[in-house]
Amino acid sequence: GDSVTQMEGPVTLSEEAFLTINCTYTATGYPSLFWYVQYPGEGLQLLLKATKADDKGSNKGFEATYRKETTSFHLEKGSVQVSDSAVYFCALRDYSSASKIIFGSGTRLSIRP
Amino acid sequence: NAGVTQTPKFQVLKTGQSMTLQCAQDMNHNSMYWYRQDPGMGLRLIYYSASEGTTDKGEVPNGYNVSRLNKREFSLRLESAAPSQTSVYFCASSGGGQTNTEAFFGQGTRLTVV
Repeated sequence: GDSVTQMEGPVTLSEEAFLTINCTYTATGYPSLFWYVQYPGEGLQLLLKATKADDKGSNKGFEATYRKETTSFHLEKGSVQVSDSAVYFCALRDYSSASKIIFGSGTRLSIRP
Repeated sequence: NAGVTQTPKFQVLKTGQSMTLQCAQDMNHNSMYWYRQDPGMGLRLIYYSASEGTTDKGEVPNGYNVSRLNKREFSLRLESAAPSQTSVYFCASSGGGQTNTEAFFGQGTRLTVV
C-alpha cells in the first residue's frame, strides 16, 4: 500500500543554518505530494505542494522538488529562523487509492537563536 | 470563512462510554477524512469519505464508526471508548482535480479516555 517515510527527529539547528528534511514515498499511481507544518497546539497547515514529476513547490523560503526517479520529496530551506520551529509532515495523495491522503510520522524541528 | 470546524475541542470519557466527534466544512469539498495523532506516530488515517454517500476504512479503523451525513458533515463515533483511543483527532477535507488536491484541517479534538 501507499506509504511515506520521513527523516526521524528531532532536528536541532542554529539560526541561519541550512535545513534538509528527507521524505520518500511508495505509491501505486502518480500521487500529489505535500509538506505540512504544525505549530504547537494547532492543526496542520499546508506549507507547499507538487502535483507532478519535476514540479518544485515553494513557500516562505522552503522548497521541495518532486523526484519520480528516486520517489523523493525532500524539504529544504537555505536559512532557518527561530519561527520555523515546528513539526513538519510529508504526505501524499494517490488518486488510484480513492483519494486517500497518507502522512509520514513527522519531524520535529527546533531552531536555536 | 470558517473552513473545517470540529466539535468539541476537548473531551474526557470514562472507559466504555460512547461519543460522537462532529466535523463540518464549508468549502464544498467532496472528500473528508478523520485522523488520529499520537506522539511519534504522525497522523494515521482512521476513515475517509471520497464523496458524499461513500466511506472507507483507513489504516486504523477498529473501534470507530463514521457517518457522512451530507456533503458538509462527517462524524466519527466511538461506541465503547478505550484508553488506547486517547489521542488528538483531526478532521480534514479536500477538493478534487489537479490544482485542488490538498487537505484542509480542523483545529483538532483532544480526547482523553480514563
